Amino acid sequence: DIQLTQPPPSLSASVGDTVIISCRASQTITTSLNWYQQKPGKAPHLLIYAASTLQSGVSSRFSGSGSGTDFTLTISSLQPEDYATYYCQQSYSAPFTFGPGTTVDIK
Amino acid sequence: QVHLQESGPGLVKPSQALSLTCTVSGGSISGPDFYWTWVRQPPGKGLELIGFTYYNGNTYYNPSLASRVSIPVDMSRNQFSLRLTSVTAADTGVYFCARATRDFSSHWDFWGQGIPVTVSS
Repeated sequence: DIQLTQPPPSLSASVGDTVIISCRASQTITTSLNWYQQKPGKAPHLLIYAASTLQSGVSSRFSGSGSGTDFTLTISSLQPEDYATYYCQQSYSAPFTFGPGTTVDIK
Repeated sequence: QVHLQESGPGLVKPSQALSLTCTVSGGSISGPDFYWTWVRQPPGKGLELIGFTYYNGNTYYNPSLASRVSIPVDMSRNQFSLRLTSVTAADTGVYFCARATRDFSSHWDFWGQGIPVTVSS
């Protein structure tokens, strides 16, 4: 299986900050990388797919980049509603694994 | 707007089978463009794909669970289900059904709200 890592497990940031979340794959996955936001007690919510394509209806404050094995999710001008856990997922090969998540909390 | 809703028992005894159903509205599960999937999340942990089915009845199961899982589909009711046998406490968690696109970069675009399942005697 392809393994995904997301260091660090958590980070603290203030409203208005730019936050960069990393995801690294154990082997190349081209651009088959998705990003989800999950809030406590809720289902994951798709933000970005194919590494950099913004899902319809998602704020343009979210952007994604990367290819091969290294990817980033950038949140510009962090808002109170952005405090959540962010997961990457590879869709290059089954079983389409998820990363362990990075939690963004209030500084 | 596609809507998915999980249903089933929230408590299952060890060694028994867990059975959940996902009802899809706002779209048909009989088309070729989507996978219909189950994902689970143990308490305080990350997400794990259990498996998926699609319109022709073909299925894929995560190898870590393949010996215990099945995902049948009922086109007439626009539903798909999850059956997980011989459950243990390690199977406790929230179970989500979700739709995934079938294209070059599959992505999970619609999710159910999730149903918590506890395995306990």
